[in-house]
Amino acid sequence: KAGVTQTPRYLIKTRGQQVTLSCSPISGHRSVSWYQQTPGQGLQFLFEYFSETQRNKGNFPGRFSGRQFSNSRSEMNVSTLELGDSALYLCASSSTGTTGEQYFGPGTRLTVT
Amino acid sequence: GENVEQHPSTLSVQEGDSAVIKCTYSDSASNYFPWYKQELGKRPQLIIDIRSNVGEKKDQRIAVTLNKTAKHFSLHITETQPEDSAVYFCAANFGNEKLTFGTGTRLTIIP
Repeated sequence: KAGVTQTPRYLIKTRGQQVTLSCSPISGHRSVSWYQQTPGQGLQFLFEYFSETQRNKGNFPGRFSGRQFSNSRSEMNVSTLELGDSALYLCASSSTGTTGEQYFGPGTRLTVT
Repeated sequence: GENVEQHPSTLSVQEGDSAVIKCTYSDSASNYFPWYKQELGKRPQLIIDIRSNVGEKKDQRIAVTLNKTAKHFSLHITETQPEDSAVYFCAANFGNEKLTFGTGTRLTIIP
């Protein structure tokens, strides 16, 4: 099976812009979770989708949003970018959700200048 | 709130010795506790997990123990090897499809 893929792998944006990141899960997986990884904070949960429904979200401002399509592919959007949004954004897919093994993608490195 | 504390943040051990990483969690309703390993420049990968109805689980040189009363769980790596050098993350699921990670432990194996 092909692994989790994320596009783009690298992105440079300017403060105030918006960005959309994409995640394609392993075939057959219906759960996609998103995480923000920074050196000081580790992995922070953004949200989890299962069959197009957001089941939970983390403590991030409303500028962070996501969605999942009928083919389980997921996108996350960050509007009005801030310097502090610079991070590695990882998505993970699972057949069950966050109570089972999650398979991570390679991540999208976002730099906000 | 939903919090996972992980210690130590860095750990160096001699090759062949054991390494122990500890995590505590805040919510007694937590029922799933995975450990992920992230090598430099790579994605996190699950190495072992434990559920709240089990006290200990082993997989070759890796073991995880869970103390529900004290709300803490630990990762034990025996006979460490250079390829064990990585950042290790513990996590806890708070029963609501939300996985909270610890801040990570950078483990260095000294040859």
